[in-house]
Amino acid sequence: AQKITQTQPGMFVQEKEAVTLDCTYDTSDPSYGLFWYKQPSSGEMIFLIYQGSYDQQNATEGRYSLNFQKARKSANLVISASQLGDSAMYFCAMREGRDSSYKLIFGSGTRLLVRP
Amino acid sequence: ETGVTQTPRHLVMGMTNKKSLKCEQHLGHNAMYWYKQSAKKPLELMFVYNFKEQTENNSVPSRFSPECPNSSHLFLHLHTLQPEDSALYLCASTGTPGPSSYNEQFFGPGTRLTVL
Repeated sequence: AQKITQTQPGMFVQEKEAVTLDCTYDTSDPSYGLFWYKQPSSGEMIFLIYQGSYDQQNATEGRYSLNFQKARKSANLVISASQLGDSAMYFCAMREGRDSSYKLIFGSGTRLLVRP
Repeated sequence: ETGVTQTPRHLVMGMTNKKSLKCEQHLGHNAMYWYKQSAKKPLELMFVYNFKEQTENNSVPSRFSPECPNSSHLFLHLHTLQPEDSALYLCASTGTPGPSSYNEQFFGPGTRLTVL
């Protein structure tokens, strides 16, 4: 069975510094996808970044980048130049299934607090 | 409106009440999902619908009854709930065509449910 592990319940980072949020996964399917979502206190899950298992390069989206280490089965999220608005819960998730109605398996999340 | 909307945003109900949660997506997606997010637990997938047909029921108790009249609307009918059913209920959608090449799931803002 697929599994996502986020070992950091909470993290602090100083404003303008970079922070890495850890995510490890387990799957026997050679084709998979990994997502990171941000959940502010309002509750809505906001998509941040995606990494496909066959992608040759690490994904980047603005201040977000993914440190994808396939052999280690890790997909850590790096947020550069942290802003106060980055304070939120962050979830790593794996796609299960290949069609358009795929399922997402979520990790337990990491609460990030950005200090001014 | 755009994206995924959910109503109501907050709901308080007694254990003998019957209520319904509504989700609507304006993205032209074919798949819709219900997730449950309890305190200190990962998001749990409840139901998946693809082109109005239920494709996944993740061992959800029968006091939760989903309904998908078309690809744009999804309901969750609630009856004789328990206090442990108090949680944030999130709706999501995905599919093609989509506004993004990653085919990520788009989430609504959620309904915060309290069962007394």
